[in-house]
Amino acid sequence: QQQVKQSPQSLIVQKGGISIINCAYENTAFDYFPWYQQFPGKGPALLIAIRPDVSEKKEGRFTISFNKSAKQFSLHIMDSQPGDSATYFCAAPPGVSSGSARQLTFGSGTQLTVLP
Amino acid sequence: DGGITQSPKYLFRKEGQNVTLSCEQNLNHDAMYWYRQDPGQGLRLIYYSQIVNDFQKGDIAEGYSVSREKKESFPLTVTSAQKNPTAFYLCASSSRQGEYGYTFGSGTRLTVV
Repeated sequence: QQQVKQSPQSLIVQKGGISIINCAYENTAFDYFPWYQQFPGKGPALLIAIRPDVSEKKEGRFTISFNKSAKQFSLHIMDSQPGDSATYFCAAPPGVSSGSARQLTFGSGTQLTVLP
Repeated sequence: DGGITQSPKYLFRKEGQNVTLSCEQNLNHDAMYWYRQDPGQGLRLIYYSQIVNDFQKGDIAEGYSVSREKKESFPLTVTSAQKNPTAFYLCASSSRQGEYGYTFGSGTRLTVV
């Protein structure tokens, strides 16, 4: 069974600063590793995803860094804005031996607050 | 527009009562999932279904039941055996292709009264 650890639990950043959220997973996997953004009272929405054979993926102000050997990946939000204030979840696909298709295991979430 | 519809948005359950949460998708996705979200605990998998008439238990299936009679629909029943059902319930679906992982519904907040 896949395990995911996410940190920090909460993060406060000034407007224009860089927000960094880290995740570590346990079982080697070959499917996409996604990040989700969730606003209060809403369902999570896909933010960005990365394949495990890629070390970095950038989409606008959002970048995923992936370290396969360390089984760690992180989300960087550049030039953070108050509108980025939300809860962010990382997720990992099943390990090789699970036999399940796209059964994601989620981190515990990071509540990001960007101060104006 | 394609998406996932969850209803109702808010649901109140009395002690000893079974309640059913609805989830419908028009994305033509094969797989559907139910997650429970509690503060500070992230999302925990209750049940998932890869195809019609087949479903598998997730990490916290006790006290819940599901059915998958149609590809578009995956209702969740919270039974009286679930001792602490107050939570935010999220339904999701996924395609086997592409990077997009899950599409989530907007959730149902269940409260025991």
